Amino acid sequence: SAVISQKPSRDICQRGTSLTIQCQVDSQVTMMFWYRQQPGQSLTLIATANQGSEATYESGFVIDKFPISRPNLTFSTLTVSNMSPEDSSIYLCSVTGGINSPLHFGNGTRLTVT
Amino acid sequence: AQSVSQHNHHVILSEAASLELGCNYSYGGTVNLFWYVQYPGQHLQLLLKYFSGDPLVKGIKGFEAEFIKSKFSFNLRKPSVQWSDTAEYFCAVNARGSQGNLIFGKGTKLSVKP
Repeated sequence: SAVISQKPSRDICQRGTSLTIQCQVDSQVTMMFWYRQQPGQSLTLIATANQGSEATYESGFVIDKFPISRPNLTFSTLTVSNMSPEDSSIYLCSVTGGINSPLHFGNGTRLTVT
Repeated sequence: AQSVSQHNHHVILSEAASLELGCNYSYGGTVNLFWYVQYPGQHLQLLLKYFSGDPLVKGIKGFEAEFIKSKFSFNLRKPSVQWSDTAEYFCAVNARGSQGNLIFGKGTKLSVKP
């Protein structure tokens, strides 16, 4: 399965600032996804990162708050903009090997907003 | 709405005890089903998956799960747990034929006492 590296692994940020999380995969993948895991909650899909086009966002998530880039088939970034304490969460990058294939996850980025 | 329910938030067992973690889903269509495990300090890993065929699927480390379509269930079992099975377990579902877009349960934390 693909090896997924996320940076940073954790960060503590001040309210009102923005953080960009990077996701690097060791092989070309068609589909990349960004998930959020809030404390005590399940994983929630934020968006699908599409190569060469705008990301597809799930209900409740908007591009202004979570801009995503996908410049090629091995790399994506997620920015958490204008952060508030409610954005404190673990953000996970994931990829799939294709239709009906499982998702593989990176180690995640643990974000704390003060 | 599509959802996944995991009945137990925290399960505590002694070594060699048998394990069964419940998972029920609500999804209007044919599904793929997954169990993921997250060991302390590590990323999410796939335990096992069901796409079609034999409803009893076997995964890594002696885990198995049974898909019961009439009950919309996909319970995870292991006959004899070990201390190293201490982890958080997540059930997930997506639509057959899709890529990614998993819906996760809230997770069950398993603590195994040596």
